[in-house]
Amino acid sequence: QSVLTQPPSVSAAPGQKVTISCSGSSSNIGNNYVSWYQQLPGTAPKLLIYDNNKRPSGIPDRFSGSKSGTSATLGITGLQTGDEADYYCVTWDSSLSAGVFGGGTKLTVL
Amino acid sequence: QVQLVQSGAEVKKPGASVKVSCKASGYTFTYYYLHWVRQAPGQGLEWMGIINPSDGSTTYAQKFQGRVTMTRDTSTSTVYMELSSLRSEDTAVYYCARGGARDVGVVVAATLFSSWGQGTLVTVSS
Repeated sequence: QSVLTQPPSVSAAPGQKVTISCSGSSSNIGNNYVSWYQQLPGTAPKLLIYDNNKRPSGIPDRFSGSKSGTSATLGITGLQTGDEADYYCVTWDSSLSAGVFGGGTKLTVL
Repeated sequence: QVQLVQSGAEVKKPGASVKVSCKASGYTFTYYYLHWVRQAPGQGLEWMGIINPSDGSTTYAQKFQGRVTMTRDTSTSTVYMELSSLRSEDTAVYYCARGGARDVGVVVAATLFSSWGQGTLVTVSS
């Protein structure tokens, strides 16, 4: 059971937009930065969003992040088949004094 | 460019220990925290702990306290993760990942995993 809750799966058609939620509490998302990662099958995760809404260089602006209260959201527009992957949110939990990942969301581009 | 290169796959028997290495290059080793994260087959990512290569200080997930030890060798820019008393449930791919800069403190640094190693498969089987 993950401290951060993500939907197990989401799906959308190519070219459409999808959002992936990450729900937590005041001890984690509510008071700390959130980052998001994409994991393609058989590969290491890759940073997409950090500090809630910042994109590293090389990440297209189709990917966006936001945070409100104790929830964070990853948005992906202009979906491509290459976006099919697992997506994870992560933050620090001040009560646990530990990093915490969401359970992951599998994105299917139909 | 930042590179994290991990040691090769390991097969261990239950009760044994494993030590995985992660050699960093392309940046100032002592300036950034380093995480260890694992992923069991078909499962999600699990945070194990973080080390400050500058002073060797560590923070471990409660689940692994007493069984995990993270160390560093500044002369070779390498961090190590040793996990003891292995059981079948420890079968997983273990990743190192670069965290935030030491100047921002562990809480902020621990929310960032900017570059990842290629992963090391540890199989625990009798």
